[in-house]
Amino acid sequence: SYVLTQPPSVSVAPGQTARITCGGNNIGSQSVHWYQQKPGQSPVVVIYDDNDRPSGIPERFSGSNSVNTATLTISRVEAGDEADYYCQVWDSGRDHYGFGDGTKLTVL
Amino acid sequence: QVQLQESGPGLVRPSETLSLTCTVSGFSISTSHSWGWIRQTPGKGLEWIATISHTGSTWYDPSLKSRATISANTSKNQVALQLTSATASDTAVYYCARVPAWELHWIDPWGQGILVTVSS
Repeated sequence: SYVLTQPPSVSVAPGQTARITCGGNNIGSQSVHWYQQKPGQSPVVVIYDDNDRPSGIPERFSGSNSVNTATLTISRVEAGDEADYYCQVWDSGRDHYGFGDGTKLTVL
Repeated sequence: QVQLQESGPGLVRPSETLSLTCTVSGFSISTSHSWGWIRQTPGKGLEWIATISHTGSTWYDPSLKSRATISANTSKNQVALQLTSATASDTAVYYCARVPAWELHWIDPWGQGILVTVSS
């Protein structure tokens, strides 16, 4: 399966910028999607197709994708952003969906 | 506003068939979009199992293709998943999900999920 590597945890103070990476071989050639999952809840898409935001997602959430790393950026982090974040791709070559193992965002 | 609600047994015996149903409200499954099943475990993380389009096309993850069946009942507006020969490794939270289109590969929204335990 396609391996997507995320840091287990990221910590940031309120008001600062959090960056969560998702590494994969030539991931820049694929569309990357990001999900937020709060404890006891289902995942929610926050970014799709590398850098598009669904309606209702704050502009503070943005994404980028280049070469071997995709990044989810959360600006002006708030306590309510504390959650697990997962990246996801569709690997057409392997006919398989890949998910990262998730990054726990802690707001200090 | 579309809502997805999973239902089914919370406990399945090993070697038996795991059967789940997703009832969709606020949206007709036969109109557009695709519908999928994803599961989540602490050990293996998130795993996309299967997808069915509004026209009935299906996709299965290669590792589960031999055991999984996804189907749609348009009269009841439901999507079902069957997983045969269940083992303890199938213990997971199972989510029903909507996919924007067959050629798009992200999920919005997810159902609330149902915990299924495979144990004797």
